[in-house]
Amino acid sequence: DQQVKQNSPSLSVQEGRISILNCDYTNSMFDYFLWYKKYPAEGPTFLISISSIKDKNEDGRFTVFLNKSAKHLSLHIVPSQPGDSAVYFCAASGRTGNQFYFGTGTSLTVIP
Amino acid sequence: DGGITQSPKYLFRKEGQNVTLSCEQNLNHDAMYWYRQDPGQGLRLIYYSQIVNDFQKGDIAEGYSVSREKKESFPLTVTSAQKNPTAFYLCASNPGTYGEQYFGPGTRLTVT
Repeated sequence: DQQVKQNSPSLSVQEGRISILNCDYTNSMFDYFLWYKKYPAEGPTFLISISSIKDKNEDGRFTVFLNKSAKHLSLHIVPSQPGDSAVYFCAASGRTGNQFYFGTGTSLTVIP
Repeated sequence: DGGITQSPKYLFRKEGQNVTLSCEQNLNHDAMYWYRQDPGQGLRLIYYSQIVNDFQKGDIAEGYSVSREKKESFPLTVTSAQKNPTAFYLCASNPGTYGEQYFGPGTRLTVT
């Protein structure tokens, strides 16, 4: 049973525009959420995280929004750059922070 | 230069053979993890260890075994009992408290 879901397998965006990647979760015990970026045949690299006490966290061009009532989080990338083309995974963990649940990923293509 | 190393990058084995994937970290992290990634799927947890000499099964532990004799090492053995062993295997660690996981570069295992 997939506890973290990314319903859009792929997304294409023009360079300079906003990319919005979405993620839904089902377990109300999750209280820490992360986004990772992954290139083919490489390990994921951490992008940004948010805890459930916040509803927004920014880091440069990346902003993560958390809507706890909807069990939904999103990653905004502004402005999008061709180097952002990769697969993006969202992940969630519970209060212990020891086990992480990953979504299936969204492949972002930024068109120059 | 701290990080996680996985070796080898590519591994080929004949069906029926056990194979061990290496994972070493010099980040002094307590927790280590093994994930499997298949095309179109997210990262699925195989095993994790929060402390030396202790480990827990993840969602897809059948056909796999691990050991954690040293803090920095968490090898994964893919046994002949694993029905579909061909996949991309990722090792990760985190400090054991809230925080992002750090991933190794992965090992592509092909069993024929």
